Amino acid sequence: AQTVTQSQPEMSVQEAETVTLSCTYDTSESDYYLFWYKQPPSRQMILVIRQEAYKQQNATENRFSVNFQKAAKSFSLKISDSQLGDAAMYFCAYRREPSNSGYALNFGKGTSLLVTP
Amino acid sequence: DTEVTQTPKHLVMGMTNKKSLKCEQHMGHRAMYWYKQKAKKPPELMFVYSYEKLSINESVPSRFSPECPNSSLLNLHLHALQPEDSALYLCASSAIAGGTDTQYFGPGTRLTVL
Repeated sequence: AQTVTQSQPEMSVQEAETVTLSCTYDTSESDYYLFWYKQPPSRQMILVIRQEAYKQQNATENRFSVNFQKAAKSFSLKISDSQLGDAAMYFCAYRREPSNSGYALNFGKGTSLLVTP
Repeated sequence: DTEVTQTPKHLVMGMTNKKSLKCEQHMGHRAMYWYKQKAKKPPELMFVYSYEKLSINESVPSRFSPECPNSSLLNLHLHALQPEDSALYLCASSAIAGGTDTQYFGPGTRLTVL
């Protein structure tokens, strides 16, 4: 089974600063997909960013970017210019390449991000 | 429209009750998922349906019975639950092949078993 490890249970960042959340994973697959999901308190889980393993270029979405190191099996999330609305639980997730029968996401344990004014 | 809806938002039931959770999406997705999430934990996959057929069952107890009556609807029938089954139940949907494969999550049903 592919395992996902988030070693930081909690992180704190000041508004407008930058924070990096860590994620490592273990797999023997060569093709796979990685995701960061955000779950604000009592609110819906939404996708922040995704990365295909075959792409060398790191994914970016506005203030969110990843540092994908395939050889090291590392997939960190950088949040720039942090905003109060970024406060949430962040889950790193892994899935194998597409199948024709849906797929399973393996989630890390999550990192709770606190944003202070 | 990238919305997955779930009803009810909250549900309290006794151990002898029978209840159902409902999930609906109109994004044309042909894969739908049930997850169970305990407080401060990641979601745990329970079931995956693809093309209205059960494709993954993560060894979930039979007191949870999923049903996919059509491509837009997913139900989870509950019977004889235990207090430890109290959790947030999340539904998600995704495309299967081609197009974006992102899983879109609903807001969840918070279940309390007394």
